[in-house]
Amino acid sequence: GAVVSQHPSWVICKSGTSVKIECRSLDFQATTMFWYRQFPKQSLMLMATSNEGSKATYEQGVEKDKFLINHASLTLSTLTVTSAHPEDSSFYICSTYRQGAPRETQYFGPGTRLLVL
Amino acid sequence: RKEVEQDPGPFNVPEGATVAFNCTYSNSASQSFFWYRQDCRKEPKLLMSVYSSGNEDGRFTAQLNRASQYISLLIRDSKLSDSATYLCVVLPKGAGAGSYQLTFGKGTKLSVIP
Repeated sequence: GAVVSQHPSWVICKSGTSVKIECRSLDFQATTMFWYRQFPKQSLMLMATSNEGSKATYEQGVEKDKFLINHASLTLSTLTVTSAHPEDSSFYICSTYRQGAPRETQYFGPGTRLLVL
Repeated sequence: RKEVEQDPGPFNVPEGATVAFNCTYSNSASQSFFWYRQDCRKEPKLLMSVYSSGNEDGRFTAQLNRASQYISLLIRDSKLSDSATYLCVVLPKGAGAGSYQLTFGKGTKLSVIP
């Protein structure tokens, strides 16, 4: 079964609204969550790394005030796209890993498809 | 130069064909290498790890050439169900959370035609 759940799976919103995406690890504690964004025909690009109980680390070019990340518990990380605009329309995916597990064993959420009108 | 480069394709091949994908990576300090498969509108899924000695999993064979910083994937006897985008993925050396950060290539799209 799924190890990481992600909600919503898709969302359509008007320009200027905020959208929250949740990723939950279902049967283990995820101290770190990676957030990716994928535009059509492009690779998954790492946006930020969230760590439970501390500030997220953002990749170069990603606005931390626009993409708010909260990792308040060991099983939940959220990404909020604030004041979304059409150029934010993309596929957002989270991933995490189990501490001590082989590094190639990473668990991806099913993704959230965001369309901003 | 992009960190991980792949031929985007698409590769359109008939069932039963053999197809090969190539990938190059720029960071010589990269430590681990993988091929992932991504179906349309889905999350990527690990297909196989790639080792210098070459490894095979059924119809799939992966190869790593560290000197050339080159990775390959060979699919034999293509099936319709192999149609997907194949992502070349790299992990860095090190420890801590950063060592788990996957770097993805853009992917190569494969369409297997009846």
